[in-house]
Amino acid sequence: DTAVSQTPKYLVTQMGNDKSIKCEQNLGHDTMYWYKQDSKKFLKIMFSYNNKELIINETVPNRFSPKSPDKAHLNLHINSLELGDSAVYFCASSQGTGGRNEQFFGPGTRLTVL
Amino acid sequence: GQSLEQPSEVTAVEGAIVQINCTYQTSGFYGLSWYQQHDGGAPTFLSYNGLDGLEETGRFSSFLSRSDSYGYLLLQELQMKDSASYFCAVRDRSTDKLIFGTGTRLQVFP
Repeated sequence: DTAVSQTPKYLVTQMGNDKSIKCEQNLGHDTMYWYKQDSKKFLKIMFSYNNKELIINETVPNRFSPKSPDKAHLNLHINSLELGDSAVYFCASSQGTGGRNEQFFGPGTRLTVL
Repeated sequence: GQSLEQPSEVTAVEGAIVQINCTYQTSGFYGLSWYQQHDGGAPTFLSYNGLDGLEETGRFSSFLSRSDSYGYLLLQELQMKDSASYFCAVRDRSTDKLIFGTGTRLQVFP
């Protein structure tokens, strides 16, 4: 019973390509997130959706476009990939916002741009 | 804005006790959380301190002092499986973003 799942787990691609990462949660949570973890393991939020509505949009290049077709899914599309996009991307979900707000993370997608 | 600093690495032996500190500069947050991440794995929630003081969950305890802008995670009876990275995090009251600390890599030796 996977709580938060992501596909693919690994993604190797050439510079300039466009790729998508999919995320699904079966926890019934209202809020979903995308995080980027760089090579130094620094974890930073990129986007957050609450009930399909974008509520956090960090200073991320507009080559990155999240889409939430319903509150159980949050996908990330990346256009014109660059070397600096290489990182691990984590999807997460939580019930509501504020306070304790425990977040449940997916297994991550390791993106390598060559 | 928020920034949270942690030691980059801590080492200890099995059975020992280790404390991982988190100092922060913040303009307002809900509480301090801790997450564990094994190599190649996803961060998993460990604990949350909404109020000052100590919270205990089995071998792990977490502490928060807002007046000192400081918190820590205490791991007792260390086991090899505790070798992982540990992140403190705060939720910013104004933006609702979860801001993670710089992370501490814990290595437990036999």
